[in-house]
Amino acid sequence: GAGVSQSPSNKVTEKGKDVELRCDPISGHTALYWYRQSLGQGLEFLIYFQGNSAPDKSGLPSDRFSAERTGGSVSTLTIQRTQQEDSAVYLCASSAGRYDEQFFGPGTRLTVL
Amino acid sequence: DAKTTQPNSMESNEEEPVHLPCNHSTISGTDYIHWYRQLPSQGPEYVIHGLTSNVNNRMASLAIAEDRKSSTLILHRATLRDAAVYYCILRDPFGNEKLTFGTGTRLTIIP
Repeated sequence: GAGVSQSPSNKVTEKGKDVELRCDPISGHTALYWYRQSLGQGLEFLIYFQGNSAPDKSGLPSDRFSAERTGGSVSTLTIQRTQQEDSAVYLCASSAGRYDEQFFGPGTRLTVL
Repeated sequence: DAKTTQPNSMESNEEEPVHLPCNHSTISGTDYIHWYRQLPSQGPEYVIHGLTSNVNNRMASLAIAEDRKSSTLILHRATLRDAAVYYCILRDPFGNEKLTFGTGTRLTIIP
């Protein structure tokens, strides 16, 4: 079946612009995660959605970052007033349940000029 | 979350077995040991997980020390496609759902 998909695969933007990154999880998966991976760095947790529960936003680095998940499916990560340090690969993952295996998408490479 | 320690890098010859070590001396009684790997330019993928007993699946085997303070991921016959960064992660099924990735081990396969 289809895996996790993300769009766009690449995004180049100018400093100060807003960007939206999209994640389509595996159908039926109740849990959805966003991570980011800066060049040469490990993966950093950003936010987690589980069903209709309030999201765990503990990993968001600043209030410029927000995410929503509509209808328990598609999720959008929004970065406002982008900065150069926001440049990274943003990865989305989904899992069937809270502690199940996470399936990752291919990521969106964000470059802020 | 309890911390894991892995070598930064390892090399192995193609078609040879590979043993990737992980130390987790502060592991709690409820922590599961998970392994993920990240191939170049891809998102991570799940490899295997276990609690106390050794585990086998189509991708690899996981050998867990009796005191659970260390574990070893075993690739029985490495191929060039196994070149990746391998992450050993502890997950508490009663704790936070996120994955906490360390720096992992970069595995290079020599043809």
